[in-house]
Amino acid sequence: QQQVKQSPQSLIVQKGGISIINCAYENTAFDYFPWYQQFPGKGPALLIAIRPDVSEKKEGRFTISFNKSAKQFSLHIMDSQPGDSATYFCAASRHGAGNNRKLIWGLGTSLAVNP
Amino acid sequence: DTEVTQTPKHLVMGMTNKKSLKCEQHMGHRAMYWYKQKAKKPPELMFVYSYEKLSINESVPSRFSPECPNSSLLNLHLHALQPEDSALYLCASSQGTSGKGEQFFGPGTRLTVL
Repeated sequence: QQQVKQSPQSLIVQKGGISIINCAYENTAFDYFPWYQQFPGKGPALLIAIRPDVSEKKEGRFTISFNKSAKQFSLHIMDSQPGDSATYFCAASRHGAGNNRKLIWGLGTSLAVNP
Repeated sequence: DTEVTQTPKHLVMGMTNKKSLKCEQHMGHRAMYWYKQKAKKPPELMFVYSYEKLSINESVPSRFSPECPNSSLLNLHLHALQPEDSALYLCASSQGTSGKGEQFFGPGTRLTVL
């Protein structure tokens, strides 16, 4: 059972365009939603994260939009650049047994930005 | 310093070898994680250490043995691995397991089992 569903699986955008990646979750106990960026052969890097008491968070060209009632959140990359070409993972987490947090990952979106 | 370091970067081992992966962080984080990542898949959690104690083992085969010598170091001992264990092994750390939840990842060790 995929608790965090991510779409699209792959995305091609022209330089300067807007890249949009969507995620949907099922568990209303999730209270932290990060996005990670991963380049080939590298570890994931935390890009931006949001908590459910906020509907939008912006950091530079990256914006998370959060819709609590729809249980959806999305990443918008404005003015997309070839250097943004990478795999993007959404994730969600909550407090679990023993007060531990586990990240539940989406399956990833491979973004290619054409020059 | 916001870096998690991992050594070695690449490792090739036979099925009868014993090897170890190492991870280090100097951010004062008290939680450390081992993940396994296959190509084009998200990371899969293997182990979580909280305050140097093993708090989560995601039913990982015993041929993988984690160790946390102190709050800055995390090792993964490998023995009698199978070819299907070939993957990118990632270490991560966070301030604590119950805090903001921000996990910071190292660059990974690319493991090939022959």
